[in-house]
Amino acid sequence: AQSVSQHNHHVILSEAASLELGCNYSYGGTVNLFWYVQYPGQHLQLLLKYFSGDPLVKGIKGFEAEFIKSKFSFNLRKPSVQWSDTAEYFCAVKGTDSWGKLQFGAGTQVVVTP
Amino acid sequence: NAGVTQTPKFQVLKTGQSMTLQCAQDMNHEYMSWYRQDPGMGLRLIHYSVGAGITDQGEVPNGYNVSRSTTEDFPLRLLSAAPSQTSVYFCASKRGSGNEQFFGPGTRLTVL
Repeated sequence: AQSVSQHNHHVILSEAASLELGCNYSYGGTVNLFWYVQYPGQHLQLLLKYFSGDPLVKGIKGFEAEFIKSKFSFNLRKPSVQWSDTAEYFCAVKGTDSWGKLQFGAGTQVVVTP
Repeated sequence: NAGVTQTPKFQVLKTGQSMTLQCAQDMNHEYMSWYRQDPGMGLRLIHYSVGAGITDQGEVPNGYNVSRSTTEDFPLRLLSAAPSQTSVYFCASKRGSGNEQFFGPGTRLTVL
């Protein structure tokens, strides 16, 4: 069965610190990978996605993620966070043989302090 | 385009009551889905639809019904609400396979 594991449930950082959120998945086939962000009181927005090609993908707001196939990982990074990055971050996986069924991780709550 | 819209934004029900959560999209997307979001569990798929007249179960379908009579609308019905259905419900839509899913603003449901 498909599963997604996010390593940290809560992360607290100071502004300008670097952020890395881990995501590992379990799936017996080719996958599409996503990171979504949910700002307080808002709905989910797509940060970035990986379908194929360059395993280092860049998304909005200075975020990037690296797909490491051998490790079944898709970690999210940002070199220098801002207070406005306070949000919950979700990793999600979809099998390429699946029309749309996304499997989400439990989410990581990130708090950036001024 | 309004994107994906959901109504109501908030709802309080008593155990045993029924209600319908509405979801509509104006992007002519074939695929629509319902998720519930619970603390520490991420989003879990309830039901999904790959086109008008076609629906299927997701990970947590029990207690919920769906139908898809038009491309635009995908309502979620709670037949007899239970406290375990207290959650935030998100509707999403997308075009084709492998494309981004667009999420609605969510409905916060409390069942007493």
